[in-house]
Amino acid sequence: QLELTQSPSASASLGASVKLTCTLGGVHDNYAIAWHQKQPDKGPRYLMKVNDDGTHIRGDGIPDRFSGTSSGHDRYLIISSLQSEDEADYYCQTWDSGIQVFGGGTKLTVL
Amino acid sequence: QLQLHESGPGPVKPSETLSLTCTVSGDSITSSNYFWVWTRLPPGKGLEWIGSFYYGGTTYSNPSLRGRLTMSIDTSKSQFTLNLNSVTAADTAVYYCARGNKGGYTYGGFLDVWGQGTMVAVSS
Repeated sequence: QLELTQSPSASASLGASVKLTCTLGGVHDNYAIAWHQKQPDKGPRYLMKVNDDGTHIRGDGIPDRFSGTSSGHDRYLIISSLQSEDEADYYCQTWDSGIQVFGGGTKLTVL
Repeated sequence: QLQLHESGPGPVKPSETLSLTCTVSGDSITSSNYFWVWTRLPPGKGLEWIGSFYYGGTTYSNPSLRGRLTMSIDTSKSQFTLNLNSVTAADTAVYYCARGNKGGYTYGGFLDVWGQGTMVAVSS
């Protein structure tokens, strides 16, 4: 059964970089995923789609500080030059036919 | 630019039916490249997919909600709706609608536009 696993929390310093991981489970490693940012009191925001070949496609208006890549069953979101507004929950999302699946989310703290 | 706006009843009593509407503006709700999704965020928990609606009538729903869920679309109003019956406190959440981008898939895809959400509290 398709599932996505994320670490519950992560932290990094202002101006530094952080790499968040989303791991595919129960399926082959050829699934694309999407990353979404959820800030307090705002709706989620689509960040990018990350393909199984490591390429990524950012959403409209998403700065290039946000990038993505893949390795095996792992899909990554890399945020560089961390800013205070990057403190948020980050969710990965994928699909199998019509079924949608979310990871449990990672709460990112910017120190 | 596509915008989605959820509207709902506010508080709902246990055992009643929750009805939500998502109004789509800035693009067509009938495009075959997209589908329409409901998700929710319960307090202290993560995002949960509720269901997806494809223009033409195909729907997919979360197995945990199957049997309680009805989705429909009103193209004249550019709206899609969610009805969830027999609600309990466990259905308390912020509900979001989103657009799914098929990206070449027949069914499924990534969610590329989200609404701001509407809070629904189930309480007697």
